[in-house]
Amino acid sequence: QTVVTQEPSLTVSPGGTVTLTCASSTGAVTSDYYADWFQQKPGQAPRALIFSTSNKYSWTPARFSGSLLGGKAALTLSGVQPEDEADYYCLLYYGGVPGGSQGVFGGGTKLTVL
Amino acid sequence: EVQLVESGGGLVKPGGSLRLSCVASGFTFTNAWMSWVRQAPGKGLEWVGRIKSKSDGGATDYAAPVKGRFTIARDDSANTLYLQMNSLKIEDRALYYCTSRNHWGQGTLVTVSS
Repeated sequence: QTVVTQEPSLTVSPGGTVTLTCASSTGAVTSDYYADWFQQKPGQAPRALIFSTSNKYSWTPARFSGSLLGGKAALTLSGVQPEDEADYYCLLYYGGVPGGSQGVFGGGTKLTVL
Repeated sequence: EVQLVESGGGLVKPGGSLRLSCVASGFTFTNAWMSWVRQAPGKGLEWVGRIKSKSDGGATDYAAPVKGRFTIARDDSANTLYLQMNSLKIEDRALYYCTSRNHWGQGTLVTVSS
């Protein structure tokens, strides 16, 4: 069974920079996994931030960026704002195409801004 | 404005069935690959399955825990996505979201209890 691993929790100071990562039990994450990133605040539905590793939506704040880092997918927040406090989930697609044969979410990272 | 509105959730006994619906508006539903994602209370996101657009073949894929019990279908004439859930188990209890990858509904709650 494929497992996608994220840091359970991270803390960052306002204005700081933090990187969240997303690892696959199958090995290095590449662009073929089309990593997506989502933000979820308490009581709300998830909101899409990044698609296919590094692409932003029109509503994605400029301080969010996606990349591949050391064999993992990564989400970097630069100049963190208090409103960025939330749970963040990555989604990897296994099958070689966007929305490929299987999607697997990471367990999520609870980001605290303190 | 893009909207995804789920319905059909409720209380069902173990072994029972339920059909969820998701009505889409504000985008070209016919071209969209649509997915169902669920979230158990207090837990992370879990990918349930996905249906491709008919122009891309209309294939479906499912996560291992629901394969053989859940069926995803679409009615493009009604801009509606469905999730037929059979042989429901206690562990299927969750908030079920419909998503087009970049947009998400607010979810519909499924409770499985005797």
